Amino acid sequence: DAKTTQPNSMESNEEEPVHLPCNHSTISGTDYIHWYRQLPSQGPEYVIHGLTSNVNNRMASLAIAEDRKSSTLILHRATLRDAAVYYCILRGSYRGSTLGRLYFGRGTQLTVWP
Amino acid sequence: DTGVSQDPRHKITKRGQNVTFRCDPISEHNRLYWYRQTLGQGPEFLTYFQNEAQLEKSRLLSDRFSAERPKGSFSTLEIQRTEQGDSAMYLCASSLGAGENNEQFFGPGTRLTVL
Repeated sequence: DAKTTQPNSMESNEEEPVHLPCNHSTISGTDYIHWYRQLPSQGPEYVIHGLTSNVNNRMASLAIAEDRKSSTLILHRATLRDAAVYYCILRGSYRGSTLGRLYFGRGTQLTVWP
Repeated sequence: DTGVSQDPRHKITKRGQNVTFRCDPISEHNRLYWYRQTLGQGPEFLTYFQNEAQLEKSRLLSDRFSAERPKGSFSTLEIQRTEQGDSAMYLCASSLGAGENNEQFFGPGTRLTVL
């Protein structure tokens, strides 16, 4: 699996924007960039994904670098509920027997201060 | 609630005992995944099913572990002769298909403590 690199932790104040970076220098042309997050004592939940273009949904925005070697998850106004571990994951179209599985890494622990 | 459910939520057992966990996926989802998560780490893939067929098993899944998905509905994960190193959160997820656009929906997990 192609690997991603994320900071171990980040902090933000409530109602401020948060930019969570992810490096994926070995990304292949068919890899999608997915973000999941895991709230305390819960299973992970899907946040957003993209291939080349920036993406927006109700939860967040995903900004993808032109060379696709990095991306940034943007939370426009952090709330206390956004405190979680955020995982940046690459998913390939075909990777032999690993099709469909997610490789999580250790993610970024986001702390949101009131 | 129509999400992924897991039972039990917590299990405490003594070393050497067998344990079985159950996962009920979202009803129309044909893919079901099992992951294991230890403290401070991200979830690690164990195995997955497409309908009733088990398509892949991780090297983490020793011969003491077995998973089934009879009739392509719910799934069970059994651990025989548990060891203290098996203590972890066991997560189940399901998806509609396996493509890169298909998100996985996770259950709340079963936390196993082996004494």
